[in-house]
Amino acid sequence: KQEVTQIPAALSVPEGENLVLNCSFTDSAIYNLQWFRQDPGKGLTSLLLIQSSQREQTSGRLNASLDKSSGRSTLYIAASQPGDSATYLCAVHSNYQLIWGAGTKLIIKP
Amino acid sequence: ETGVTQSPTHLIKTRGQQVTLRCSSQSGHNTVSWYQQALGQGPQFIFQYYREEENGRGNFPPRFSGLQFPNYSSELNVNALELDDSALYLCASSLWTNTDTQYFGPGTRLTVL
Repeated sequence: KQEVTQIPAALSVPEGENLVLNCSFTDSAIYNLQWFRQDPGKGLTSLLLIQSSQREQTSGRLNASLDKSSGRSTLYIAASQPGDSATYLCAVHSNYQLIWGAGTKLIIKP
Repeated sequence: ETGVTQSPTHLIKTRGQQVTLRCSSQSGHNTVSWYQQALGQGPQFIFQYYREEENGRGNFPPRFSGLQFPNYSSELNVNALELDDSALYLCASSLWTNTDTQYFGPGTRLTVL
């Protein structure tokens, strides 16, 4: 059974720092992995999708990597800003469903 | 191109009642998946519909049921509501490939009193 874990559960850093969020999964048989952002009380915004054949994807200040063999993905945020404060969720696409981590709540202090 | 839409935005029901949530898929998509997200947790897969047939189901009881219509819009029905059904219900649409991205609607916030 696929399980997805995100560490840390919460993170608070000063503005301007570079940071890394971690996601691990137990079964390497995935089609892709996706990182999402969720603002309080809101829906999901897709940030990056990495296909199983890819190693990384980049969008602006965000870079996501995928190591299927070790069951790990990281989301790197460069030069963090207060507007980056949100909960970040990773999800693996396994068969027909997305299986989710519980998220990392990120607070960027001005 | 129209994105995924959901209605209503918010809903308050009492225990034992029934509720219907609606989702319109993105243009060109024939697959709809439903997820439940309790407060402080990641979403949990409820079920998926492909061309009007249930294609897969998560660990939810039969009182959670769904429909998909010929235009690929979908409904989620929950009978005999329980307090623990209070959550954000998310709908996602996609093309039928296992590698395809699922595009999410804004969700329906259900509160059961």
